[in-house]
Amino acid sequence: ETGVTQTPRHLVMGMTNKKSLKCEQHLGHNAMYWYKQSAKKPLELMFVYNFKEQTENNSVPSRFSPECPNSSHLFLHLHTLQPEDSALYLCASSHSRDRGDQPQHFGDGTRLSIL
Amino acid sequence: GESVGLHLPTLSVQEGDNSIINCAYSNSASDYFIWYKQESGKGPQFIIDIRSNMDKRQGQRVTVLLNKTVKHLSLQIAATQPGDSAVYFCAESYLSGNTPLVFGKGTRLSVIA
Repeated sequence: ETGVTQTPRHLVMGMTNKKSLKCEQHLGHNAMYWYKQSAKKPLELMFVYNFKEQTENNSVPSRFSPECPNSSHLFLHLHTLQPEDSALYLCASSHSRDRGDQPQHFGDGTRLSIL
Repeated sequence: GESVGLHLPTLSVQEGDNSIINCAYSNSASDYFIWYKQESGKGPQFIIDIRSNMDKRQGQRVTVLLNKTVKHLSLQIAATQPGDSAVYFCAESYLSGNTPLVFGKGTRLSVIA
């Protein structure tokens, strides 16, 4: 039990499909993050939410659309994805985005495959 | 140590021996560092962190050493066990500048029983 739960664990979709990834944290944290993890590359930060407000968008293509309805839930809406988007998508949370409030706690990720 | 190429560095250690995993960080202003462990099929798991006002911190069977002069971080695992087999990576941040964590590519630790 990591305290951060991601669903689904695996997702296979075509390039024209629309799907959503879900993340829920049970740690009472106020900051939530989306990361992309590709083989042989470091974790890439995609989006950051702090107290439900998006504070960072790390030049992510618009085919990825985040949503944070409250501090416990985070979604990543996907549409018209490309094969190079196939990766492990990780959600994380921390107390808040303010300085001194690390570390981040991760979920087990959604393995996304684009056909 | 941390990879600067395409291949993930691998460290093979005999069960019961001590392991040392190294990380060279890039930003001399970084003041916060974390080590994560990632097992196959799982997300990164927090192991230990250290702030730049310290040069050593110990946890249960793990020790992190920080050398700010040469921008080097290491993770020492005592009495390595098969369950320690995983990818380990460090992350750095400049908390005073409110910058996000920057992750290294990782080192794969294989424990030989």
